[in-house]
Amino acid sequence: AAGVIQSPRHLIKEKRETATLKCYPIPRHDTVYWYQQGPGQDPQFLISFYEKMQSDKGSIPDRFSAQQFSDYHSELNMSSLELGDSALYFCASSLRTALSGYTFGSGTRLTVV
Amino acid sequence: GQQLNQSPQSMFIQEGEDVSMNCTSSSIFNTWLWYKQDPGEGPVLLIALYKAGELTSNGRLTAQFGITRKDSFLNISASIPSDVGIYFCAGSMTGTASKLTFGTGTRLQVTL
Repeated sequence: AAGVIQSPRHLIKEKRETATLKCYPIPRHDTVYWYQQGPGQDPQFLISFYEKMQSDKGSIPDRFSAQQFSDYHSELNMSSLELGDSALYFCASSLRTALSGYTFGSGTRLTVV
Repeated sequence: GQQLNQSPQSMFIQEGEDVSMNCTSSSIFNTWLWYKQDPGEGPVLLIALYKAGELTSNGRLTAQFGITRKDSFLNISASIPSDVGIYFCAGSMTGTASKLTFGTGTRLQVTL
């Protein structure tokens, strides 16, 4: 079965640079979520989109922005990167009405040096 | 903000033993989910619980949604080496798609 696809898997950036992470949800899933997981931490919710509109916002820094496109894929844009942004970034997708299908991608490991 | 506390934080067990871990919250959640995460991978859903008091099994895994809706537990019977990983509980305020609040995690290590 198709899963949530994230790219790239690994990314190394320097401080103050920008990064773009991509997420391709499971086909027919209408909701996409982004989470950040620091080393040894639990995943923290950043932002979500339902039918291409932002539906909820968590602890996402102002330096980050995200959007969902007409083909339902989503991108997380991160600017003025800081060392503390180094983390695993997960995308998840689901149908709005079915939490049982809430599926995570394998994540993008961002390292800021 | 909301916080889900898991215990134990980590555990070493012998292969074949049963495992029990729990998750408590200061807030009510309407849905509880249990995930397993392997190093460098995304969380994989194990069990979803939708009703207070619900007891659900998935193979060797059994999870229960507490009556107060502020806690849940996960049991693993007859542990095997591939059970190694970090187990997270996660709560949702709704029964439909919404952000998840994750617990602090339980790291499980199995010795032969």
